[in-house]
Order: sequence, then C-alpha cells, then structure tokens
Amino acid sequence: GDSVTQMEGPVTLSEEAFLTINCTYTATGYPSLFWYVQYPGEGLQLLLKATKADDKGSNKGFEATYRKETTSFHLEKGSVQVSDSAVYFCALRTSGSRLTFGEGTQLTVNP
Amino acid sequence: DTGVSQDPRHKITKRGQNVTFRCDPISEHNRLYWYRQTLGQGPEFLTYFQNEAQLEKSRLLSDRFSAERPKGSFSTLEIQRTEQGDSAMYLCASSLGQSSYEQYFGPGTRLTVT
Repeated sequence: GDSVTQMEGPVTLSEEAFLTINCTYTATGYPSLFWYVQYPGEGLQLLLKATKADDKGSNKGFEATYRKETTSFHLEKGSVQVSDSAVYFCALRTSGSRLTFGEGTQLTVNP
Repeated sequence: DTGVSQDPRHKITKRGQNVTFRCDPISEHNRLYWYRQTLGQGPEFLTYFQNEAQLEKSRLLSDRFSAERPKGSFSTLEIQRTEQGDSAMYLCASSLGQSSYEQYFGPGTRLTVT
C-alpha cells in the first residue's frame, strides 16, 4: 500500500539556518505530493504541493521538488525564522481522495 | 469566511462510554473527511463523504465507529464502547468536489479515554 517516510525528528535550528526535511514515498500509480504544516494549537494547513514529476511546489520561502526517480519530496527553506516552528507533515494522494501522511517532523527554530 | 469547525475540542470519557463528535465543513464544500491522529504520528484516514453518501471507509473504522452526514452538511462521528486505544485527535477536513481540490482541516477533537 501507499506509505510516506519522513526523516526522524525533532529538528532544532538557529534562526536564518538552512532547513531540509527529507520525505520519501511508496505508492502505486502517480501520486500527488503535499507538505502540510501544523502550528501549535491550530489545524493542519497546506503548505505546498506538486502533482507530477519534476514539479516544484513553493510557498512562504519553502520549496519541494517532486523527484520520481528517487521517490522523494524533500522540503527546503533557505533561512528559517522563529515563526516557522511547527510540525511538518509530508503526504501523498493517489487515486481517490484519501491523504496518506508521514509521521511528522517537529521543527524548533531558536532566536 | 469561517473554516472547518469541530465540537467539542476536548472530550474526556470513561472506558465503555459512547462519544459523539461533530464537524461543520466550509459551507460550499461537498466532500467531508475524517482522520485520526495519535501522539507523534501523522493523521490516518478513516472515512469520507460526498454530500450525504459515505463513499469510502478505512479498515481502521471498526464496527464501534459510525459516521453520518445526514443532510450533506455537518457530520457526526460516534464511537461506541470506547477503549483506551481510541484516545487520539480526531480531525475533520472538507473540500470541493474533485479529488484535486485542497482539503481544509479543522482544529480537531482530542479524545481521552480513561
């Protein structure tokens, strides 16, 4: 079945550091890929998405490129801020409507 | 524009009791989803509705779980004879009709079974 694997957390960075959160997936067919973010006390929010191979999703300085050859969708940001502290979830959707999520990565950014 | 709302936000119940949660989707959204999230894990799909029709159910949705969306608007998720393993965050999401549309999530209902 479909599955998503994220790098183990938590991740702690200083402000303005470079961020990478790794995500790899296993899926039948050609999935759409997503990154969701969950800020403390809030619901999941879509951060970015890519629907086909080599697409790059981007939002709020975050980027991720759909790599079919490595089945990966790594999240990157060049300079993190304290306000980026949250839990980040990689997810995929194949046929149908269900999203399949990774286990999440807690990011803490210190000033 | 209000987002997805869920009620209650927190529920503490004793093992063996029944609980019911409510989800109100974004008003024009005809798809509604339920997920469950346990501590330190990502959300897991439970079921989804298109209008009032329940179109898919996960194997996670045991016989003790039932979900309804009687008028195609709000939805309820009932858990009968709760067990400690049911303790989790129950998330609701809604979207427009097609699979390609974004799912918008509510804040969740945190259930604790003692």
